[in-house]
Amino acid sequence: KQEVTQIPAALSVPEGENLVLNCSFTDSAIYNLQWFRQDPGKGLTSLLLIQSSQREQTSGRLNASLDKSSGRSTLYIAASQPGDSATYLCAPGSYNTDKLIFGTGTRLQVFP
Amino acid sequence: GAGVSQTPSNKVTEKGKYVELRCDPISGHTALYWYRQSLGQGPEFLIYFQGTGAADDSGLPNDRFFAVRPEGSVSTLKIQRTERGDSAVYLCASSLRGGAATGELFFGEGSRLTVL
Repeated sequence: KQEVTQIPAALSVPEGENLVLNCSFTDSAIYNLQWFRQDPGKGLTSLLLIQSSQREQTSGRLNASLDKSSGRSTLYIAASQPGDSATYLCAPGSYNTDKLIFGTGTRLQVFP
Repeated sequence: GAGVSQTPSNKVTEKGKYVELRCDPISGHTALYWYRQSLGQGPEFLIYFQGTGAADDSGLPNDRFFAVRPEGSVSTLKIQRTERGDSAVYLCASSLRGGAATGELFFGEGSRLTVL
C-alpha cells in the first residue's frame, strides 16, 4: 500500500529564499510523480510531472527531482515570492494501484 | 470545455438528504477520478473511472456513496442519507489516459458540501 509523507508540514520564509520541499513514498514501483499546488479554497493545479525514467523536471523557478529507488522526490523553489504561498502536494502514480495517493502537503507562506 | 468543471461549487444540505455532485471532465479524457478533501488534509481517493466503467471504487466509504459515468464523459457522485461527517470538498480530476499510462492530472475547483 502506497503511503506518502511530506516534510515539512508548514514553512514560513521571507521572499527571495530558495526552498526545498520533500516528498517520500513507500512503494517505489511508480510510473511517474506529480507535484501540485493548491491555493486556499481552490482545486489542485499541476506544476510538474516527472516520468519514472527521468531524474528531474524543470519549469521556470521550479525544479523537481526524483530518486525512485529511495522513494524520494524534492521540489526546489528558487527565489521565492509571496505569490508562491500555497499548499504543495505530491502524488506518485504506482503500478500496483490505479489511484493517485496524495501526501498531506506542505503549507508554504512567503512574506514580503 | 477548457478545464474540469464541477457543480455546484457549494452545497448546504440537511442530515439525511440526498445529494448529487456533477463533474464535467476535459473533452477526450478517458480517466476520471473523484477525491474527497477535509480541512488540512490531502485529497483522499474515492473512485476512478476508465471510460464508462468504475475501474476502482475501493475508496468509497460505504454504500451511501455511488458514482456513475454513463456515457464516458460527465460523472455524477451521489450521496444518500447524508451525514455530518460527509462534509468536505469533493474534487474531480481527469486525465487523457488512466492506470499506468496516467499523464498529467487536471482538477476542478471542487464542490464544497456542508451537511447541517
